[in-house]
Amino acid sequence: GAGVSQSPSNKVTEKGKDVELRCDPISGHTALYWYRQSLGQGLEFLIYFQGNSAPDKSGLPSDRFSAERTGGSVSTLTIQRTQQEDSAVYLCASSLRGGDSSYEQYFGPGTRLTVT
Amino acid sequence: GNSVTQMEGPVTLSEEAFLTINCTYTATGYPSLFWYVQYPGEGLQLLLKATKADDKGSNKGFEATYRKETTSFHLEKGSVQVSDSAVYFCALKDGSGNTGKLIFGQGTTLQVKP
Repeated sequence: GAGVSQSPSNKVTEKGKDVELRCDPISGHTALYWYRQSLGQGLEFLIYFQGNSAPDKSGLPSDRFSAERTGGSVSTLTIQRTQQEDSAVYLCASSLRGGDSSYEQYFGPGTRLTVT
Repeated sequence: GNSVTQMEGPVTLSEEAFLTINCTYTATGYPSLFWYVQYPGEGLQLLLKATKADDKGSNKGFEATYRKETTSFHLEKGSVQVSDSAVYFCALKDGSGNTGKLIFGQGTTLQVKP
């Protein structure tokens, strides 16, 4: 079956511009996570959605970052006024259920963001 | 807070050599532990996991045992192949905040030469 998909695969943007990154989770997965993979910080958690509950935004690095999940499926991560330190690979993962469940997280291929 | 520490790479081995990648963790309670692998140009894939102390996870010839006394989850393989060249990440499932988010180590690059 189809895995987690993300688009675009690569994005180059100028400093100060806004960008939107998209994630399509595996059908039926209620939990969705965004992570960021960068040279300086490694792999770090950004935000978590579980069904229709309020998201856990505790990992977002600044108020320039926001995310939404429409209809409990597709998610969009938006970065406003991009900065060079935002350059990273943004990974999305989905799971049948999140929290303390034992379900595996399945990762998408990522979006490589470069801010020039 | 919870954290994961991995041995720094890169690790370069000849084909058929024995592999160990060290991983230790700091956590309250007994979190589930994972090894993920990222092959060149591909996304993160779960390699193996262990959910409680003394559990051994295994897959594709790789093994790791959950050792609570040493808070470790070292990855081993008896005979590596060129196709095992990848970046390996140790991770734990964070039990605080009820997200189930993963906390990753820094990753270890493995290069296997023929």
